[in-house]
Amino acid sequence: ELKVEQNPLFLSMQEGKNYTIYCNYSTTSDRLYWYRQDPGKSLESLFVLLSNGAVKQEGRLMASLDTKARLSTLHITAAVHDLSATYFCAARRGTSGSRLTFGEGTQLTVNP
Amino acid sequence: DTEVTQTPKHLVMGMTNKKSLKCEQHMGHRAMYWYKQKAKKPPELMFVYSYEKLSINESVPSRFSPECPNSSLLNLHLHALQPEDSALYLCASSPLIPTYEQYFGPGTRLTVT
Repeated sequence: ELKVEQNPLFLSMQEGKNYTIYCNYSTTSDRLYWYRQDPGKSLESLFVLLSNGAVKQEGRLMASLDTKARLSTLHITAAVHDLSATYFCAARRGTSGSRLTFGEGTQLTVNP
Repeated sequence: DTEVTQTPKHLVMGMTNKKSLKCEQHMGHRAMYWYKQKAKKPPELMFVYSYEKLSINESVPSRFSPECPNSSLLNLHLHALQPEDSALYLCASSPLIPTYEQYFGPGTRLTVT
């Protein structure tokens, strides 16, 4: 059974600092997703990572995937208050179909 | 159009009521999903439709009944719900190849009294 673990679950950081959120998954998966959720809102797709070594960047966020280590990272550069949200990673179960397993989420707070 | 829409935004219903949630997408996606999300928790998959056929039912109680009338619409019929069913219900759609990237609607906040 695929399990996805994120850490940290809570992250409080100052504006301007860098930090990384880690996402480990327990069994083979060929697709890794990152989503953002603001309080009371829906999930917004940030990144889709399809292959080993994939790296994607959007603004202050960069996501990477190491399928051999079963690890994805979401790196935050020079955080700003607008990045405060909950970030979920999700891995596709197996190598077919569209069923995802989500991590517990990382609640990020960026303080001025 | 890259949007998934859901109605209503909020719903309060009694335990004996029957209501329906609606979801619509016009992105040509052939997979549609229902999720339930409790506060501070990740979404939990309930149902998946592929090509308008139910392909996954995650052992959801029969008081939840999904329906996919066509490739753009997804309904969730609710009957005799319990207070613990109160949650945010999210609809999503995705292409089936190659990314399976799921696009989520804004959700329906359901309160069962």
